[in-house]
Amino acid sequence: EAQVTQNPRYLITVTGKKLTVTCSQNMNHEYMSWYRQDPGLGLRQIYYSMNVEVTDKGDVPEGYKVSRKEKRNFPLILESPSPNQTSLYFCASSPGTIGEQYFGPGTRLTVT
Amino acid sequence: AQTVTQSQPEMSVQEAETVTLSCTYDTSESDYYLFWYKQPPSRQMILVIRQEAYKQQNATENRFSVNFQKAAKSFSLKISDSQLGDAAMYFCARLGGFRGTYKYIFGTGTRLKVLA
Repeated sequence: EAQVTQNPRYLITVTGKKLTVTCSQNMNHEYMSWYRQDPGLGLRQIYYSMNVEVTDKGDVPEGYKVSRKEKRNFPLILESPSPNQTSLYFCASSPGTIGEQYFGPGTRLTVT
Repeated sequence: AQTVTQSQPEMSVQEAETVTLSCTYDTSESDYYLFWYKQPPSRQMILVIRQEAYKQQNATENRFSVNFQKAAKSFSLKISDSQLGDAAMYFCARLGGFRGTYKYIFGTGTRLKVLA
């Protein structure tokens, strides 16, 4: 089944404890993105990748890191999480610039 | 700043009726793409419809159609014969307008309630 998977789905952590949210797609898509969704703010793009080893900042990259060493994986790293990074996070992939984005199921992160 | 504006935080429609969700956007580019995404209570994001800015013809997908007014930078979504399953958050989004990048800008969403 074609899909985007994210792990974990739910995470509660403490301020400053490094964490990684994994994202993997099995559709051989070149484009991948990370978003955060907050009430009243919609989805905001954190980082995107247009191919392996090619990443760039979205609108809200501060406090996040990403890597794209393999085509299928695009992990999101929070080196020192803070409470303002409490949010719902989505990973998405797409076969091309104008192709449909396929979204993962979301990761609910709470930083205390 | 490049923005996408959805001015209706919440809308309601009777089952089988028609509803229109509004979206306006800001860009100085001529080449970009516009989307409507649906997010039901399951939180899954689902593409509803897509419009290429260079195409003058409005996109249509079954009961969903758009009214794309390029000069006015307006991209509204019309849902005909509304069904209970249409109840969801709807997000308007713009891609492009930045050459060589893959920047998506989403609106803040409109929550659609469908009344039986």
